[in-house]
Amino acid sequence: QSVLTQPPSVSGAPGQRVTISCTGSSSNIGANYDVHWYQQLPGTAPKLLIYGDNNRPSGVPDRFSGSKSGTSASLAITGLQAEDEADYYCHSYDSSLSGSGVFGGGTKLTVL
Amino acid sequence: EAQLVQSGAEVKKPGESLRISCKASGYIFTTYWINWVRQMPGKGLEWMGRIDTSDSYTNYSPSFQGHVTISVDKSISTAYLQWRSLEASDTAMYYCARPRRRGPIDAFDIWGQGTMVTVSS
Repeated sequence: QSVLTQPPSVSGAPGQRVTISCTGSSSNIGANYDVHWYQQLPGTAPKLLIYGDNNRPSGVPDRFSGSKSGTSASLAITGLQAEDEADYYCHSYDSSLSGSGVFGGGTKLTVL
Repeated sequence: EAQLVQSGAEVKKPGESLRISCKASGYIFTTYWINWVRQMPGKGLEWMGRIDTSDSYTNYSPSFQGHVTISVDKSISTAYLQWRSLEASDTAMYYCARPRRRGPIDAFDIWGQGTMVTVSS
């Protein structure tokens, strides 16, 4: 059972918008720790997609955006493309675990 | 260009010991912490622990404390993840990852390619 909760799967047609939620608690996201998002394509290492709640590293398309409110965060993907089909993970830290890193369980995005 | 290169896949028997490595290049090794992340087959990412490469101070997830040891050799810019006695449940892909900035708490912008560890009798 992951400390951060994500839906196991989401799907959308090409061109559509999808969102992936990440729900935490008062000791992690609600404690004002930043939320980060990663994309993991099959057989590859995770890739940083969003850092510090809503910032994109260089090279990440602006179709990807992040937001945070209270004890939850979200990743939004607009203009869905076939190449977006992957697993997505949220990541933060938890004060009740002495600042340990915590991940969400991951969400499989299927592009229909 | 900063990068982390991990050691190759390992096949071990239960009870055996193992040390896998993560070699950094393209940046000053002692400036950034190194984290280790486990991914069991078909499962999600789990944070295992981290090490301050400047002084070898470590933090472990309660789930992994006492079962693994994280260390570094600054002279060769390499971090290690070590087991004294492997179990079948240690079968997984292991990634090392570097934070974006100095300090222990940040996003991981540099990842190793992963080391697959298989433990089977």
